[in-house]
Amino acid sequence: SQQGEEDPQALSIQEGENATMNCSYKTSINNLQWYRQNSGRGLVHLILIRSNEREKHSGRLRVTLDTSKKSSSLLITASRAADTASYFCARTTGGGNKLTFGTGTQLKVEL
Amino acid sequence: NAGVTQTPKFRVLKTGQSMTLLCAQDMNHEYMYWYRQDPGMGLRLIHYSVGEGTTAKGEVPDGYNVSRLKKQNFLLGLESAAPSQTSVYFCASSPPVYEQYFGPGTRLTVT
Repeated sequence: SQQGEEDPQALSIQEGENATMNCSYKTSINNLQWYRQNSGRGLVHLILIRSNEREKHSGRLRVTLDTSKKSSSLLITASRAADTASYFCARTTGGGNKLTFGTGTQLKVEL
Repeated sequence: NAGVTQTPKFRVLKTGQSMTLLCAQDMNHEYMYWYRQDPGMGLRLIHYSVGEGTTAKGEVPDGYNVSRLKKQNFLLGLESAAPSQTSVYFCASSPPVYEQYFGPGTRLTVT
């Protein structure tokens, strides 16, 4: 079963606006990762944040992690139409580098 | 450098038929994974492998078998397909820690 929830399930914004997606989970983690999936395609890794980190940046992406609240957020600044995709958080727990995915947020960026 | 490739891209099976999905990676990764993705859901781990000759069960292993005879290949078998196995199947590979690299997916329909 899925070990977490993401919200919102869907998000529609205008180009140039910021998009924020949230992820919650139930068990302790080794790290948390965010992936992007364009329609009908495989997943692409965006950013990884370790359990002892609180914030991480990569280009227009900013990820925060609050292990006390068991939650993470992904912020995409100055969104573009090309950012339209589904975004998933995924946690690694235990050995084997196994990922447990959330249900995803569908982001639509309109011109 | 092709990354992770999957064969076939599409397949339609009748209930009870068998098939094998092939995953190949050219990044010399130790770990490989098979996931399934159903509509509106994140990916769920079926089986994974932490090295040549080793396999382990994931979250939803029933009805599937896997083999990792060569480091670069990870095969997923369905011995007797059922309509509940209609899904999109993704293979991924990774080093022992950090991000996973995903293939483009195989869309399987069981009628």
